Amino acid sequence: QVQLVQSGAEVKKPGASVKVSCKASGYTFTNYYIHWVRQAPGQGLEWMGIINPSGGSTNYAQRFQGKVTMTRDTSTSTVYMELSSLRSEDTAVYYCARVGGFTISTKFYYFDYWGQGTLVTVSS
Amino acid sequence: QTVVTQETSFSVSPGGTVTLTCGLSSGSVSTSYYPSWYQQTPGQAPRTLIDSTNTRSSGVPDRFSGSILGNKAALTITGAQADDESDYYCVLYMGSGWVFGGGTKLTVL
Repeated sequence: QVQLVQSGAEVKKPGASVKVSCKASGYTFTNYYIHWVRQAPGQGLEWMGIINPSGGSTNYAQRFQGKVTMTRDTSTSTVYMELSSLRSEDTAVYYCARVGGFTISTKFYYFDYWGQGTLVTVSS
Repeated sequence: QTVVTQETSFSVSPGGTVTLTCGLSSGSVSTSYYPSWYQQTPGQAPRTLIDSTNTRSSGVPDRFSGSILGNKAALTITGAQADDESDYYCVLYMGSGWVFGGGTKLTVL
């Protein structure tokens, strides 16, 4: 069965960086893009960007450009999301989510499987 | 930047029907935005309900349905149950990326 398992909670100081991992299993890793979505405490979901695990290409939401870097390691079927210059406003649960299908399919456009979420707390 | 709009909150009686909507601050939602819907309870990851406007995900009860109503995407719950009390999010594909609505908190009472 498809699973996305994320790394554990992190506590960081303002100005630091954090790198969250999302390990995929149960399917061919390079066939499906993976999104990153965050949710601040008591707030809604926010799309951060998407990575193609096959070639590593990325598309970031405008507000995260220069702030986020998404990478992948095909040898371990893992994608990473690194957030830099952390501020208290970056305190949130970060989710990875797999697309539903190939790029030529309408199933590409929705979030099919979700990781369990990783809480990142930014505090001095 | 275009904002995706949802009702902040909604209330429905057990057994009742409720329609949540997903609109745009400018323009109309169509199937070309590939609207999808997600249910989230506190402390849990979102659960996928509907994709591509009206396709129910595996295991989702048929009391959940998606559609386009007027100029918005819509999620209708027919015969609401107590465990439908959750936050509901829509998301639209905007061409350059995806944008979530602010979410609707549904109360069943």
